[in-house]
Amino acid sequence: AQTVTQSQPEMSVQEAETVTLSCTYDTSENNYYLFWYKQPPSRQMILVIRQEAYKQQNATENRFSVNFQKAAKSFSLKISDSQLGDTAMYFCAFMKHSVPMKWYYGGSQGNLIFGKGTKLSVKP
Amino acid sequence: ETGVTQTPRHLVMGMTNKKSLKCEQHLGHNAMYWYKQSAKKPLELMFVYNFKEQTENNSVPSRFSPECPNSSHLFLHLHTLQPEDSALYLCASSQDFPGEPRPSYEQYFGPGTRLTVT
Repeated sequence: AQTVTQSQPEMSVQEAETVTLSCTYDTSENNYYLFWYKQPPSRQMILVIRQEAYKQQNATENRFSVNFQKAAKSFSLKISDSQLGDTAMYFCAFMKHSVPMKWYYGGSQGNLIFGKGTKLSVKP
Repeated sequence: ETGVTQTPRHLVMGMTNKKSLKCEQHLGHNAMYWYKQSAKKPLELMFVYNFKEQTENNSVPSRFSPECPNSSHLFLHLHTLQPEDSALYLCASSQDFPGEPRPSYEQYFGPGTRLTVT
């Protein structure tokens, strides 16, 4: 079974500085996807960034970037130039790549496995 | 964000009540999900529906009953719940593309229903 571990329950960072959130996972799969989701106090879960395991290049999305180390099974999130609006819970998530046969019958398994989350506070 | 809506946003119910949670997605997706988010626990997948057929049931107690009448609507019927069922229930949807080698698998979440069982 796959597991996702976020070892930092809470973190804080000064506005405009850089912070890195850590995530490790355990799987025997070779093809999978990794995600970082953000859940602000309003509770709407929002996708921040996605990484396909077959891609060696680290994903970036504006101020957000990841450090994907497949051999080490590590997937950290770096937030540059932190803003007050970045204050939220951040969840790391894993999804295995389902076999094509499943698609014939109507789609993927879609089983996202989440870590417990890291509460990030950005201070002015 | 209006892509995935959930009603009600807050619900308080007794252990003998019957209630339903509603989820609607306006994104044209073909897969929908129910998750449970409890304090100090990771989000737990409860049910997955692909093309209106249930494809995943993560050993959820029968007091939770899902219904997916069409690809845009998803319900979670609740009856004889326990206090430990109090949690935030999140709905999500995604678009799967059969035949393409690398679908996005991105799930879009609703705002959730905060359920309190007394």
